[in-house]
Amino acid sequence: EPEVTQTPSHQVTQMGQEVILRCVPISNHLYFYWYRQILGQKVEFLVSFYNNEISEKSEIFDDQFSVERPDGSNFTLKIRSTKLEDSAMYFCASSEVNYQETQYFGPGTRLLVL
Amino acid sequence: KQEVTQIPAALSVPEGENLVLNCSFTDSAIYNLQWFRQDPGKGLTSLLLIQSSQREQTSGRLNASLDKSSGRSTLYIAASQPGDSATYLCAIYNQGGKLIFGQGTELSVKP
Repeated sequence: EPEVTQTPSHQVTQMGQEVILRCVPISNHLYFYWYRQILGQKVEFLVSFYNNEISEKSEIFDDQFSVERPDGSNFTLKIRSTKLEDSAMYFCASSEVNYQETQYFGPGTRLLVL
Repeated sequence: KQEVTQIPAALSVPEGENLVLNCSFTDSAIYNLQWFRQDPGKGLTSLLLIQSSQREQTSGRLNASLDKSSGRSTLYIAASQPGDSATYLCAIYNQGGKLIFGQGTELSVKP
């Protein structure tokens, strides 16, 4: 069964460093998302992406964040200058036809900022 | 602003019991509602998606209902098994595909 994959599974970085989290959505899906979950808190929406453009972003998704679909298969989240409070599990998701279809989530990348 | 609340926060039941997990939301103008399962330290597994025009969806031992007018959804699990132990999340679809999550119900099914 097709699934969303994410790399790396864990990343440790120093405060102020740039990180890139990578996702490979399900191959025929057109809509892509990033969410994050700080330990013990709710899953929070970051950004949705379609047709090489951001469709919606949350107030969390400020100028230090960016997303890109560099080729036909990868979808990346870049955090330019990490802060301690960026430590969280980051989930990528994709959906097939439109925003109201089931979103399928990847296993997540656990980011720890020291 | 849409808020999603799940009660109870944690639930422990003996194997074989039928159980109901609750989800409430403040704004009835929703698109769809999705129930997920999350195992510790893992990603989210989609269980059921209920379209806004539907009242319920069933998959195996799971049945999810939706009552938009009262701002409530329930997830019914029949004949619970230890393998059902996980955190169950409900999420509301907003315009643009943004999912708004509840804080989850942590379910433990004892053998």
